[in-house]
Amino acid sequence: DIQMTQSPSSLSASVGDRVTITCRASQGIRNDLGWYQQKPGKAPKRLIYAASSLQSGVPSRFSGSGSGTEFTLTISSLQPEDFATYYCLQHNSYPPTFGGGTKVEIK
Amino acid sequence: QVQLVQSGSELKKPGASVKVSCKASGYTFTTYAMNWVRQAPGQGLEWMGWINTNTGNPAFAQGFTGRFVFSLDTSVSTAYLQISSLKADDTAVYYCAVIGLAEPFDIWGQGTMVTVSS
Repeated sequence: DIQMTQSPSSLSASVGDRVTITCRASQGIRNDLGWYQQKPGKAPKRLIYAASSLQSGVPSRFSGSGSGTEFTLTISSLQPEDFATYYCLQHNSYPPTFGGGTKVEIK
Repeated sequence: QVQLVQSGSELKKPGASVKVSCKASGYTFTTYAMNWVRQAPGQGLEWMGWINTNTGNPAFAQGFTGRFVFSLDTSVSTAYLQISSLKADDTAVYYCAVIGLAEPFDIWGQGTMVTVSS
């Protein structure tokens, strides 16, 4: 199985900060990766698909980049509603695998 | 409105079985596979497997074989997850999800909490 190593596992940031979250794949996955946001008690919501395509309705402060084994989710200016846990999901190779998650907390 | 609506929370005793439903609406049910994802309390997301909504063929991730069954009733656009011989560590929220791969379509059910306790 492909292992998705997500870092950091948690971070504290202030409103307006630029935040970067990374996922590393144990082998190349082209751009077959999505990023999800999950708030407490809610289902995950996809922000990015195909590594860098913004899901409809998602604010443009979210962006994704990368290909192969290293991927990044960037929030350009953190907003109060962005405090949540973020996960990457690879679907290049069976079985699909999630990263361990990054909890973004208020500083 | 495109949505997946899951059945309500369940409290079961160890050794019992549970069946979770996931009703789809707003799209053609047989267009996309249905995924199942588990989230234990305070933990991350774990992909359990999927079922081909055209053929009914399931596939399971390691750790989800034997006691787990995926099924369909395409006449009512509904997918089911059944877990038998429940154990305490099956306690989790179970999500159904349609995950469009290289396309924007991506919808999740609201989740079903299954609690296993004596």
